[in-house]
Amino acid sequence: GAVVSQHPSRVICKSGTSVKIECRSLDFQATTMFWYRQFPKQSLMLMATSNEGSKATYEQGVEKDKFLINHASLTLSTLTVTSAHPEDSSFYICSAFKGKHDEAFFGQGTRLTVV
Amino acid sequence: EDKVVQSPLSLVVHEGDTVTLNCSYEVTNFRSLLWYKQEKKAPTFLFMLTSSGIEKKSGRLSSILDKKELFSILNITATQTGDSAVYLCAVGGNMLTFGGGTRLMVKP
Repeated sequence: GAVVSQHPSRVICKSGTSVKIECRSLDFQATTMFWYRQFPKQSLMLMATSNEGSKATYEQGVEKDKFLINHASLTLSTLTVTSAHPEDSSFYICSAFKGKHDEAFFGQGTRLTVV
Repeated sequence: EDKVVQSPLSLVVHEGDTVTLNCSYEVTNFRSLLWYKQEKKAPTFLFMLTSSGIEKKSGRLSSILDKKELFSILNITATQTGDSAVYLCAVGGNMLTFGGGTRLMVKP
C-alpha cells in the first residue's frame, strides 16, 4: 500500500510558540491532502483540505490564521499551529487519496501538547 | 452537509461473540465508504466499498454496502480481545467524512 509519513509523532511546546507538522506522501503524488484533528475518545474532525499550489479550504469553525496550511509540492503538506494554546493540544492526522478509486492513507499522527 | 452516523456508540462482548457495527450516511457525490480500525494511533484501513451488495471479507471481518438504503455494516465473527478498538466508518465524497466511531471492547 501507499505510504504517508507524518512528522513529528509527538511534540510538546510552550504556549505562544508555533509548531509545524509535516505530511509527506512517500510513493505517490497527492494533489490533495486532508488534515484532521481528534480529541480524546472522539472521532476525526476534518479541519481543512490542502490543495497543491493553491490555498487550503478550511472547514467551518477552523481559524485559517491559526492553522496555517501550505501544500508546496505534490508530496508535502505542512500544518503550522501558530501561537499555540493549551486548548490546541490534540491529535492531528493527515491523509491523502492515492488515486481516484483508492482508499485514503493516513500519516502516523502527531500528538501535540501545549503547556 | 455530509453526515455519517455510526451505531452503537460502544459495545462490550465476550470472546467468541459475533458483532455487527452499523454506519449510515448522507453525502453528496458519494465515491466510497471505508472502514478503519483505530487503536492507539492513526486509523488502519480495513475495507473500501464502492458497490452495493458485494461483500468484502478479510479473515473474521466482513463488510457490505447498501447504496439504496445508504448504510453499511461491519461484521466481526469469533471476536478476540485484539479486536478491541474504535471502528470508524468514513464516506468519501469530495473528502472523507467520518462517523463518530463504535468503541468495541472484547472481554476474555
